[in-house]
Amino acid sequence: DAEITQSPRHKITETGRQVTLACHQTWNHNNMFWYRQDLGHGLRLIHYSYGVQDTNKGEVSDGYSVSRSNTEDLPLTLESAASSQTSVYFCASSETANSYNEQFFGPGTRLTVL
Amino acid sequence: GDSVTQMEGPVTLSEEAFLTINCTYTATGYPSLFWYVQYPGEGLQLLLKATKADDKGSNKGFEATYRKETTSFHLEKGSVQVSDSAVYFCALSDIQGAQKLVFGQGTRLTINP
Repeated sequence: DAEITQSPRHKITETGRQVTLACHQTWNHNNMFWYRQDLGHGLRLIHYSYGVQDTNKGEVSDGYSVSRSNTEDLPLTLESAASSQTSVYFCASSETANSYNEQFFGPGTRLTVL
Repeated sequence: GDSVTQMEGPVTLSEEAFLTINCTYTATGYPSLFWYVQYPGEGLQLLLKATKADDKGSNKGFEATYRKETTSFHLEKGSVQVSDSAVYFCALSDIQGAQKLVFGQGTRLTINP
């Protein structure tokens, strides 16, 4: 079965370190998204991609970067981790960019920055 | 910009009670509206959706009607079960935003037997 996976599921790091969160989907979807989930804010969009070599900034992109070198993967990098980036991170994918299409979510990565 | 407002939680109900979770939105265009559900320890999954005014989305006994006149998309279920305990998110996707989802803050629902 097609799926979307994230790794690691849990990560503890220190302030200032670079961290990369992996997202891999086997749906062959063109669109991929990264969100962060914080209490009282729901999910907020960090970055998104509509295809290979395409990346776009979302609502809360400062301090994060992504790259899309193939269809299956969209890794999220925190250049210099800060305590404010402690959160749960979700990756999602969808087949087309139509507004009514469902997004499929991964299980999430819980990141703690000490 | 676009925004979604959900009723404050947490919500605690007894099994077989009637459920309503309120959701209102602000959007410049004609958004598609969604309810996503997050069970403990899992990612979000689509519960139901509606893509135009007066559409009713339904799934697993849950329903929500797209009300353009009141900019609302309230989630309802006639008789909840313990297995419905989860966090529920209302979201919109504006056609101008090319499928970027805007989420409400989420409502945690607990059903007691």
